[in-house]
Amino acid sequence: EVQLVESGGGLVQPGGSLRLSCVASGFMFSSYSMDWLRQAPGKGLEWLSHIGSGNIYINYAESVRGRFTISRDDAENSLYLQMNSLRDEDTAVYYCARDARGSADYWGQGTLVIVSS
Amino acid sequence: DVVMTQSPLSLPVTLGQPASISCRSSQSLVHSDGNTYLNWFQQRPGQSPRRLIYKISNRDSGVPDRFSGSGSGTDFTLKISRVEAEDVGVYYCMQGTHLWTFGQGTKVEIK
Repeated sequence: EVQLVESGGGLVQPGGSLRLSCVASGFMFSSYSMDWLRQAPGKGLEWLSHIGSGNIYINYAESVRGRFTISRDDAENSLYLQMNSLRDEDTAVYYCARDARGSADYWGQGTLVIVSS
Repeated sequence: DVVMTQSPLSLPVTLGQPASISCRSSQSLVHSDGNTYLNWFQQRPGQSPRRLIYKISNRDSGVPDRFSGSGSGTDFTLKISRVEAEDVGVYYCMQGTHLWTFGQGTKVEIK
């Protein structure tokens, strides 16, 4: 069974940093691209970042480019999102998802990030 | 960026009756590989999104056959043939041809 479990969310002040983790199981993690997405309270879904299998390709949404960094550790079956210079508008539930060529076929349960002073 | 526009944004439905959600993209979703990466997701209250349909009309494993997807190019539709109570939630279309973008979501509720 495919499982994705995010962690690392919490309360952080504006301008602060946070590192999110996503541990995968039930599939060959190293063979798949992975993505981070988020959902602000009461709002829709927003794609944030993509990392290809073997780190071949990385991309970011304009809203987070230069502030967020995606990475992966295939030995640990883990995906990460380093978030710096956080803003109020970054408050959201953050999801990792398995990338199935033009789609997200499995999602984690999400981790809540609150940016507030 | 590709803009995805859903309608309606709110859809009250009587149990057992059909429902239909429209999704339009600001540009063609036909990829250079010939596929059209248009997906539909269901998000029940308090849950993560769940994929229902991929590449316009392919149902995911375990998705009831009352859900169907259709369309082409820039115009797509999700249909529920007979709405059940468990179908309450927000439905999103998502394009995966030009990076990923989502529609605003359509809230399905029971009348």
